[in-house]
Amino acid sequence: DILMTQSPSTLSASVGDRVTITCRASQSISGWMAWYQQKPGKAPKLLIHQVSHLDIGVPSRFSGSGFGTEFTLTISSLQPDDFATYYCQQYSIYTTFGLGTKLEIK
Amino acid sequence: QVELVESGGGVVQPGRSLRLSCVGSGFTFSSHAMHWVRQTPGRGLEWVAAISSDGNNQKYAGSLEGRFSISRDNSKNILYLQMNSLRGEDTAIYYCTRSDCGGVDCRLLQYWGQGTLVIVSS
Repeated sequence: DILMTQSPSTLSASVGDRVTITCRASQSISGWMAWYQQKPGKAPKLLIHQVSHLDIGVPSRFSGSGFGTEFTLTISSLQPDDFATYYCQQYSIYTTFGLGTKLEIK
Repeated sequence: QVELVESGGGVVQPGRSLRLSCVGSGFTFSSHAMHWVRQTPGRGLEWVAAISSDGNNQKYAGSLEGRFSISRDNSKNILYLQMNSLRGEDTAIYYCTRSDCGGVDCRLLQYWGQGTLVIVSS
């Protein structure tokens, strides 16, 4: 299985900050990377697919980049609604997830 | 809008069986591959199984060793997960998810249900 290593595991930030979350794959996954947002007690929600394609309705402050084994999710200006846990998912060789990054209010 | 509603979770003794169900609505159920994904605090999100839109192809996580079986009834818009010989490590929230296309290798999980909790304990 492809191992997805996500960092940091916890990130403290303030409203208006720019934040970046990184995900590294144990082998190349080309561009088959997705990002999900999960709030407490809720199901994950798809944010980005194929590295950088925002799902319908996702605000443009979210962006994704990368290729091969290293990928990033960036939120350009944090809003109160963005404090949540974020997961990366590779869907190149079947599918596996990172362990998540909890984005907390500083 | 797309809605997925799971049911069937609960407390079950080790070695027993449980069947989860997921009803889909707001989309053409028979056009999309469906998956089960589970979540625990320790192991995070773990893909469990997938089934093609027509139900003819299935895939499973290797760790399940044939204990789980995924199926669907397109006439009723229902997805199932039959879980046998349950173990403590199967304790998790189980999510039903809809893929973006119909083949069993369609792995982008566009929509998720709210989840159903399975606790395996004596």
